[in-house]
Amino acid sequence: AQSVTQLDSHVSVSEGTPVLLRCNYSSSYSPSLFWYVQHPNKGLQLLLKYTSAATLVKGINGFEAEFKKSETSFHLTKPSAHMSDAAEYFCVVSGNYGQNFVFGPGTRLSVLP
Amino acid sequence: DTEVTQTPKHLVMGMTNKKSLKCEQHMGHRAMYWYKQKAKKPPELMFVYSYEKLSINESVPSRFSPECPNSSLLNLHLHALQPEDSALYLCASSQEGRHYEQYFGPGTRLTVT
Repeated sequence: AQSVTQLDSHVSVSEGTPVLLRCNYSSSYSPSLFWYVQHPNKGLQLLLKYTSAATLVKGINGFEAEFKKSETSFHLTKPSAHMSDAAEYFCVVSGNYGQNFVFGPGTRLSVLP
Repeated sequence: DTEVTQTPKHLVMGMTNKKSLKCEQHMGHRAMYWYKQKAKKPPELMFVYSYEKLSINESVPSRFSPECPNSSLLNLHLHALQPEDSALYLCASSQEGRHYEQYFGPGTRLTVT
């Protein structure tokens, strides 16, 4: 069965500094992996996805993630944080049947001025 | 157009009321989903419709009744809910297949009194 671990429940950075949100997954299939962002009281917005093409994936708003099969990781990075990046971030792995997504527990990103 | 719309945005209902949540997409997606999200938690899958047929029911209580009238619309009928059912209800849609991203609506904030 698939599972996702997000190693930090809360990450706090200063504006203009790099962001690193960590995600590890477990999958018995070749996984598809996604990062979503959720601002307070909003729906989820897709940041980027990995579906077995390039291992370095670029997303919206300057985010990118690198798929590392040997480490079963899919960490999300951004070179320079902006105040508007403060939100909840979910790492997701595609399920082993149908269209079932398996969500990580989420990481709350705070950006300090 | 990558938009999923949901109505209403907010809903307050008593435990004896009957109400419905509505979701609509015009992306030609044939898979549609209902999720329930409690505060500070990831979304929990409730139902999946594939080609307008219910394909996954994650052991949801019968007081929640989904309906897919056509390929663009998804409803969630609510009856005799409990206060613990108060949550953000998210609708999503995607193409068929586990490698495809899901597009989420903004959600309906439900409060059961």
